[in-house]
Amino acid sequence: AQKVTQAQTEISVVEKEDVTLDCVYETRDTTYYLFWYKQPPSGELVFLIRRNSFDEQNEISGRYSWNFQKSTSSFNFTITASQVVDSAVYFCALSEGLGGSEKLVFGKGTKLTVNP
Amino acid sequence: DTGVSQNPRHKITKRGQNVTFRCDPISEHNRLYWYRQTLGQGPEFLTYFQNEAQLEKSRLLSDRFSAERPKGSFSTLEIQRTEQGDSAMYLCASSLDHRGAGNTIYFGEGSWLTVV
Repeated sequence: AQKVTQAQTEISVVEKEDVTLDCVYETRDTTYYLFWYKQPPSGELVFLIRRNSFDEQNEISGRYSWNFQKSTSSFNFTITASQVVDSAVYFCALSEGLGGSEKLVFGKGTKLTVNP
Repeated sequence: DTGVSQNPRHKITKRGQNVTFRCDPISEHNRLYWYRQTLGQGPEFLTYFQNEAQLEKSRLLSDRFSAERPKGSFSTLEIQRTEQGDSAMYLCASSLDHRGAGNTIYFGEGSWLTVV
């Protein structure tokens, strides 16, 4: 069965600190997709990244970077030089299969608070 | 605004009443999803449509819940005889199915339901 674990419930940092959000997943499929979403207080889930199981290259987008390691079933997310606007709940999610329902299984989320 | 639109954004209802939520997906997206999110948890999959066909339903979707997408565009989620346990945020999402490529799922801002 699919499962996503975000062990960090809450993280608090001071602005400009780097912070890493952990995500560990379980799946029996060899083809799957991993996602990160940001949920600000307004409630909308904002898409950040999608990564397929065949692409283990790390990705950087501005202050955001993602480290995908199949050997440890992890897909960690790092924010460099954090800002107050980064404060939100961040969710890691997994979907299995090619051309399937794309049903997402979410972790419980990590609440990030960036203090000025 | 061309994102996923949901209304009403907030609904307070008395136990036993029926409620209906509407979702307008991103134009031309052929897949539409409903998720439910309770406080402190990640979203949980309820159901999804490919065009007007409802292709998958979660066990979470009891007989009191019904979703429709009559013309393959907007969707409604109706909850009959509401119970306090139905209090949650109901999230709608949509995607454009590219078979074999994995899809990015875009979420709306959600509809908060409080049953009193």
